Amino acid sequence: DGGITQSPKYLFRKEGQNVTLSCEQNLNHDAMYWYRQDPGQGLRLIYYSQIVNDFQKGDIAEGYSVSREKKESFPLTVTSAQKNPTAFYLCASSMRTAQETQYFGPGTRLLVL
Amino acid sequence: KQEVTQIPAALSVPEGENLVLNCSFTDSAIYNLQWFRQDPGKGLTSLLLIQSSQREQTSGRLNASLDKSSGRSTLYIAASQPGDSATYLCAVNGGSNYKLTFGKGTLLTVNP
Repeated sequence: DGGITQSPKYLFRKEGQNVTLSCEQNLNHDAMYWYRQDPGQGLRLIYYSQIVNDFQKGDIAEGYSVSREKKESFPLTVTSAQKNPTAFYLCASSMRTAQETQYFGPGTRLLVL
Repeated sequence: KQEVTQIPAALSVPEGENLVLNCSFTDSAIYNLQWFRQDPGKGLTSLLLIQSSQREQTSGRLNASLDKSSGRSTLYIAASQPGDSATYLCAVNGGSNYKLTFGKGTLLTVNP
């Protein structure tokens, strides 16, 4: 059953803590993306990767970091430098570029304690 | 800078009604436009993708049209059902390999 999985569904962050959101896909897609969704706003691109071992900053990369060591995996770390991390985080993938259909995971909701 | 607007922000209709959701974009030099559906607390599901050379795409009760020159797209839903209740988002690709510009969505409620 092909698709994208994200874990955990809910994540709580304490002040000054780094947390990592998992994203895995078995669609054999080259491109993967991380978006942030806030109430009343459109999705905003945090980071994207078009190939293993390569990734680029999106529109709101400050306070976030990523890695792409495997084709299937694109974890996102929310660092302590991100002062307003409370949001719904969505991972997506596409065959090669954003010119093709993007497939989304179920999302992770990050809350600050 | 591309901007995508979806009006209305929310729409409530009785079951069985045909309805139209609107999406407008400021830069008509687009590569394609996608319509997505998002259920509360869930990820996005792609509904239709229209290439810039196409005028419309159909999938079941859904029909999406594109008028590039006027910067508009519409999503037509025929014979609406309560299960169609969700937020509908449109997203534009302007030729970039990585970027989609999303609208804020229209929250649709179909009442039984």
